[in-house]
Amino acid sequence: DVVMTQTPPSLSVAIGQSVSISCKSSQSLVASDKNTYLNWLLQSPGRSPKRLIYQVSKLDSGVPDRFSGSGSEKDFTLKISRVEAEDLGVYYCLQGTHLPFTFGSGTKLEIK
Amino acid sequence: EVQLVESGGGLVQPGRSLKLSCAASGFTFSDYAMAWVRQAPKKGLEWVATIIYDGSSTYYRDSVKGRFTISRDNAKSTLYLQMDSLRSEDTATYYCARHSTGLDYWGQGVMVTVSS
Repeated sequence: DVVMTQTPPSLSVAIGQSVSISCKSSQSLVASDKNTYLNWLLQSPGRSPKRLIYQVSKLDSGVPDRFSGSGSEKDFTLKISRVEAEDLGVYYCLQGTHLPFTFGSGTKLEIK
Repeated sequence: EVQLVESGGGLVQPGRSLKLSCAASGFTFSDYAMAWVRQAPKKGLEWVATIIYDGSSTYYRDSVKGRFTISRDNAKSTLYLQMDSLRSEDTATYYCARHSTGLDYWGQGVMVTVSS
């Protein structure tokens, strides 16, 4: 199985600051169709996960452009610029290239 | 609006069975592969199973192979997860999710507790 190593496990940030979360995979996530199926999800407290980003850097509909994704092959980053209170929760990366799909262990974002 | 609504969870004894359902609306259900993902209490997310759009192929994580069966009824826009020989380690919130370049929409989840 592909192991997704996500860091840091937690972050505490003031409103308006920027943060980055890293996700590294044990294998390349480039699929046979040349796409890279790396998603970023946010699970707000008491809620189900919501996808923010797909294929490394594409924002889902309605997701603020304060969120951005980057990376390739095995090394990926989620950046949140100008953090807002509504951004708190646990962020997960998900690789959808190889079965079984696997998730990072999560990064808990707290607001100072 | 895409909606996925799970049902069928509850408390069940080890070794017994339970069947989860996920009612889909707001999209053409038969066009999409679907998945079940679970989350043990205070833990991370874990993919459980996937079924392709017409039900002809299914995939499972090793720990549930031979015990869980994913299925779908495209006429009813409903996804199922039959869970047999349940174990305490199957205790989790179970989410259904739609496959689209990963997993794009998720239900609200249903809790399954396996305990005597």
